Amino acid sequence: EPEVTQTPSHQVTQMGQEVILRCVPISNHLYFYWYRQILGQKVEFLVSFYNNEISEKSEIFDDQFSVERPDGSNFTLKIRSTKLEDSAMYFCASSGRPTEAFFGQGTRLTVV
Amino acid sequence: GQQLNQSPQSMFIQEGEDVSMNCTSSSIFNTWLWYKQDPGEGPVLLIALYKAGELTSNGRLTAQFGITRKDSFLNISASIPSDVGIYFCAGQLSVDYGQNFVFGPGTRLSVLP
Repeated sequence: EPEVTQTPSHQVTQMGQEVILRCVPISNHLYFYWYRQILGQKVEFLVSFYNNEISEKSEIFDDQFSVERPDGSNFTLKIRSTKLEDSAMYFCASSGRPTEAFFGQGTRLTVV
Repeated sequence: GQQLNQSPQSMFIQEGEDVSMNCTSSSIFNTWLWYKQDPGEGPVLLIALYKAGELTSNGRLTAQFGITRKDSFLNISASIPSDVGIYFCAGQLSVDYGQNFVFGPGTRLSVLP
């Protein structure tokens, strides 16, 4: 069964460093999302991406964040200068239609 | 912003019992999704609901889209140990492309053998 895959599964980085989280959405999907989940809390929307551009973003997704679909198969989330409060599980999701979303296993980001 | 409330926050049940949980909001949603999350993993989509009043089943799971479009419930019949996890509802305000899903805080289910 097709699935969304994310790498790495765990990333440890020093505060102030840049990180890139990678995702391979399900083939033929058109809608892509990044969500995050701080430990023990609910899943929070960051950004949605469709037709090679951001279609919506939350207030969490500030200038430190960016997304890119560099080659038609990968979908990346970049955090330019990480802060301690960026520590969370980051989930990529994709869908073939805008009324559902299939999630990857997540990348645990730890900022020290 | 929009908020979803889920109840109960947690529940402990005996294996074989039926489970009912719900999700409410002050906002009207056009789509309701129910997810299950196991520890350290991503949410897995269980059921998607698209029309007010719609009742949809997936094996032992049944979910309904409330008539007011402000709520949804999920029932699990004859619970088994692998039902343990956190169940999230997620609502979508609009079917416009890329419209985000708002997640509830989750219901943590524990099944006692």
